[in-house]
Amino acid sequence: KQEVTQIPAALSVPEGENLVLNCSFTDSAIYNLQWFRQDPGKGLTSLLLIQSSQREQTSGRLNASLDKSSGRSTLYIAASQPGDSATYLCAVPNLMNRDDKIIFGKGTRLHILP
Amino acid sequence: DGGITQSPKYLFRKEGQNVTLSCEQNLNHDAMYWYRQDPGQGLRLIYYSQIVNDFQKGDIAEGYSVSREKKESFPLTVTSAQKNPTAFYLCASSPGTFNEQFFGPGTRLTVL
Repeated sequence: KQEVTQIPAALSVPEGENLVLNCSFTDSAIYNLQWFRQDPGKGLTSLLLIQSSQREQTSGRLNASLDKSSGRSTLYIAASQPGDSATYLCAVPNLMNRDDKIIFGKGTRLHILP
Repeated sequence: DGGITQSPKYLFRKEGQNVTLSCEQNLNHDAMYWYRQDPGQGLRLIYYSQIVNDFQKGDIAEGYSVSREKKESFPLTVTSAQKNPTAFYLCASSPGTFNEQFFGPGTRLTVL
């Protein structure tokens, strides 16, 4: 059964720091991996989608990497700002059971200190 | 302006009532999903639909029902059989299976 883990559950860093969020998954046979951002009381906003054939994807100050063999993805945020404070979730399709479900991690709650 | 809309934003239900949450998308996506989000539990899949007039149960379908009569609409009914319905409900869509998912703003349901 595919499981997705995000550690730490919460993280506080001073403004301006570069930071890395981690996502690990148990089955390396993934189709893609998606990173989301969720603000309190809001829906999820898609940040980056990495296909299984890619090693990284960039959007502005965000860079996501994917290492299928080790079952890991990282989301790098450069020059963090208070507006980056949110919960960040990663998700992968569940290919193990051959259904059409997406498996989500529980997220990392990020707080950028002004 | 393309996207996914959910209504209402807040919904209150009395014991024994059925309520229906609306989800509409104008992205021309084939697949649509309903998730429930509870504090500390992450997202759990309730129902999903890959095509019009077809849908499948997710991990926590008991006490819920859906329909998919139109491509753009995927309403979720929370029935009186759902014993603990208070939660944040999220609707999502994607062009197809395993494609990028896009989410609506959510509906917060509270049982009085």
